Amino acid sequence: AQSVTQLGSHVSVSEGALVLLRCNYSSSVPPYLFWYVQYPNQGLQLLLKYTSAATLVKGINGFEAEFKKSETSFHLTKPSAHMSDAAEYFCAVSQNNAGNMLTFGGGTRLMVKP
Amino acid sequence: EAGVTQSPTHLIKTRGQQATLRCSPISGHTSVYWYQQALGLGLQFLLWYDEGEERNRGNFPPRFSGRQFPNYSSELNVNALELEDSALYLCASSTKGQGYFNGYTFGSGTRLTVV
Repeated sequence: AQSVTQLGSHVSVSEGALVLLRCNYSSSVPPYLFWYVQYPNQGLQLLLKYTSAATLVKGINGFEAEFKKSETSFHLTKPSAHMSDAAEYFCAVSQNNAGNMLTFGGGTRLMVKP
Repeated sequence: EAGVTQSPTHLIKTRGQQATLRCSPISGHTSVYWYQQALGLGLQFLLWYDEGEERNRGNFPPRFSGRQFPNYSSELNVNALELEDSALYLCASSTKGQGYFNGYTFGSGTRLTVV
């Protein structure tokens, strides 16, 4: 079975500060991991994905995430927050023996203060 | 390339009525997934269709149903609407057998309001 836990349903940072959104997963086999972003009243947009190549994955809009097997984590970071980064972020996990199913975390709402 | 399209964007229904939501996947995608996003409840998986067949179903009552057509587009039907069905309904698609690797592409959703 696979599952995802996102620590912190709400995260607030100041503009220009480091963004760190946490994601921990459980998976019985090597996982594939994804981060999605959702802007208000829109669908989800893929930010980045880990598919067992490089452990540090770079995505769009300056975001990156590092796969740490020993910590079963896939935290999302951005060095300097912009006001436009305010959105909800979802971490998701899948396995190659679980059909096509992605399992999503509960989401983290990022607020950026001026 | 057109993305995943959903219609209508907004839908207002009265309690007890039926709602029909539609989704067209990206060209070449055969799998369609439906999610419910109610306020404060995250993404709740509803249904997965691939090549016309229902492949998996989430923990929702039978009044939530759907189908997938030969062109891979899909409908979600919600019967006997209840107030708590008010939510954003998201459709996503993926290529056959590759969703676990490539991830899903999402549409912008249908906002269903039950009054």
